[in-house]
Amino acid sequence: DAGVTQSPTHLIKTRGQHVTLRCSPISGHKSVSWYQQVLGQGPQFIFQYYEKEERGRGNFPDRFSARQFPNYSSELNVNALLLGDSALYLCASSGDWISPLHFGNGTRLTVT
Amino acid sequence: SQQGEEDPQALSIQEGENATMNCSYKTSINNLQWYRQNSGRGLVHLILIRSNEREKHSGRLRVTLDTSKKSSSLLITASRAADTASYFCAPGGFGNEKLTFGTGTRLTIIP
Repeated sequence: DAGVTQSPTHLIKTRGQHVTLRCSPISGHKSVSWYQQVLGQGPQFIFQYYEKEERGRGNFPDRFSARQFPNYSSELNVNALLLGDSALYLCASSGDWISPLHFGNGTRLTVT
Repeated sequence: SQQGEEDPQALSIQEGENATMNCSYKTSINNLQWYRQNSGRGLVHLILIRSNEREKHSGRLRVTLDTSKKSSSLLITASRAADTASYFCAPGGFGNEKLTFGTGTRLTIIP
């Protein structure tokens, strides 16, 4: 079975631009979460969606938004990029909101 | 969920030795999870221990939980080069909402 897939794997953007990151969960998983991992730090929670509803939001500015589609795939959008947004963005899925998370290998975003 | 603090920050051992890393947290929990992250890749779930459990095993992994001390430990026995990774704990509530990770323990296995 395919694991969690994220695209693109790497991305370079300029300050002020907008970016969209995509995630396909494991087949049958209805929950998708997004995490930001800055180099040398642990992943920080951004959003969780379950059955297309937002279940949780971390301490991130409104420039960050996400949505989940009817097929349970998800997008993370970041507007007005800052240098500090450079990070590994991880998507994780689970079968429900209480099961352990399955992570993708992330999208490495570099903002110049 | 709350953030766990992993200790030590870094650990280097010879292949074949045992590795122990610890996690402390501040408030009561329903469960605690351990994850592994190989360099530049996603996290992999290792084990979940519930608050009413004191010890749990999975292959070469042994996790303990002491709720009175608000701490957990992860023991990897007979370490292998492939165990080289960062290890994170995630103290949690009922579910996987808002898992909060610390900076992890970076384990290096020396061949």
